[in-house]
Amino acid sequence: RKEVEQDPGPFNVPEGATVAFNCTYSNSASQSFFWYRQDCRKEPKLLMSVYSSGNEDGRFTAQLNRASQYISLLIRDSKLSDSATYLCVVSEAAGNKLTFGGGTRVLVKP
Amino acid sequence: EADIYQTPRYLVIGTGKKITLECSQTMGHDKMYWYQQDPGMELHLIHYSYGVNSTEKGDLSSESTVSRIRTEHFPLTLESARPSHTSQYLCASSARQGVWEKLFFGSGTQLSVL
Repeated sequence: RKEVEQDPGPFNVPEGATVAFNCTYSNSASQSFFWYRQDCRKEPKLLMSVYSSGNEDGRFTAQLNRASQYISLLIRDSKLSDSATYLCVVSEAAGNKLTFGGGTRVLVKP
Repeated sequence: EADIYQTPRYLVIGTGKKITLECSQTMGHDKMYWYQQDPGMELHLIHYSYGVNSTEKGDLSSESTVSRIRTEHFPLTLESARPSHTSQYLCASSARQGVWEKLFFGSGTQLSVL
């Protein structure tokens, strides 16, 4: 079983719709969680950190469920520019090696 | 924007050649990483360093080697390139910000071995 697992998608989303997807992690000692965005043939870029209480950044909402060991990302009012692969990143503690999920591909269509 | 640079951006080379992929960062980060990623596939950590003269192998076995003689520089070397080495190589560095370890990526080197 992979340490960090994601549904690879693609999630085909009509423009303006809401899309949500999860990322599960196997290490119960994980402490730090992030969502990165990667465009085709580009480097990953930090989208947002995930706080224990959940957090929102504009149209993006991240949540953490420690009991079930998953984090989620919700995108509201999807834009064409949201089309990308979203990578889940987990580490056991600050300073420890970061583990990437395989990514979830999102395609927003007009 | 992150100050981490990779050269070359694209490299096409013949089998058997020795190559070095350069990675430099001007942020003074102690931790640096090399990831390998095939198109549409996940990132695989192949090497990392937690400081000068410290290098470790990552999760994915790689025939490449790295060195960390200076904080800002983390080159990756392939002694004899093969077609199986064709891939994108991403360099990254990280810094702790509060409780978070924030990762910054270079633009990557797309390597094609013929």
